[in-house]
Amino acid sequence: ILNVEQSPQSLHVQEGDSTNFTCSFPSSNFYALHWYRWETAKSPEALFVMTLNGDEKKKGRISATLNTKEGYSYLYIKGSQPEDSATYLCASSSGYALNFGKGTSLLVTP
Amino acid sequence: GAVVSQHPSWVICKSGTSVKIECRSLDFQATTMFWYRQFPKQSLMLMATSNEGSKATYEQGVEKDKFLINHASLTLSTLTVTSAHPEDSSFYICSATPPLSTDTQYFGPGTRLTVL
Repeated sequence: ILNVEQSPQSLHVQEGDSTNFTCSFPSSNFYALHWYRWETAKSPEALFVMTLNGDEKKKGRISATLNTKEGYSYLYIKGSQPEDSATYLCASSSGYALNFGKGTSLLVTP
Repeated sequence: GAVVSQHPSWVICKSGTSVKIECRSLDFQATTMFWYRQFPKQSLMLMATSNEGSKATYEQGVEKDKFLINHASLTLSTLTVTSAHPEDSSFYICSATPPLSTDTQYFGPGTRLTVL
């Protein structure tokens, strides 16, 4: 994998559903994996930074895992709410520069 | 904390004019700021890394004479798109890293540039 790939491209769920997204990244020269939440007309909000294989991080109903050996990370949202609607970006870094995926656009309807 | 602002949020200009975009870290000092751009349906792509008091480092394929970056203080970096053309129309967004947090980049809200 040369680029950061995110799937699905978009997702539409009902309020209360749990959901997850995938981020695949090059495992060579890996330093850190970042997740951002980006609402329209706002700044991307940093959710997690993970560096170690097997890392798991949690922030409220949102959690993420990291597998650096196979080059993937999952983002989970438990009990989705309409305010979770946003684009979720992941980015890998081999140092300071961030290499972004195209994002997963999540829409949560009541 | 860690708030980054950008100005303007959108700009429309005629082909051949120059446009300046400002990026400010409001509550921290940033020795390093980054400039990205995003074309429709594409990912954020790093254009250049801006270091306070020194010349910016540009990514491959980014013309340094077209995209002038100035980082004159620890809270302000500017990107000037010189002689803008329609193909420069894009979404430009900056980020900054607080001194003690080398991992997380904090982003501004971005600037939508449309060149007619």
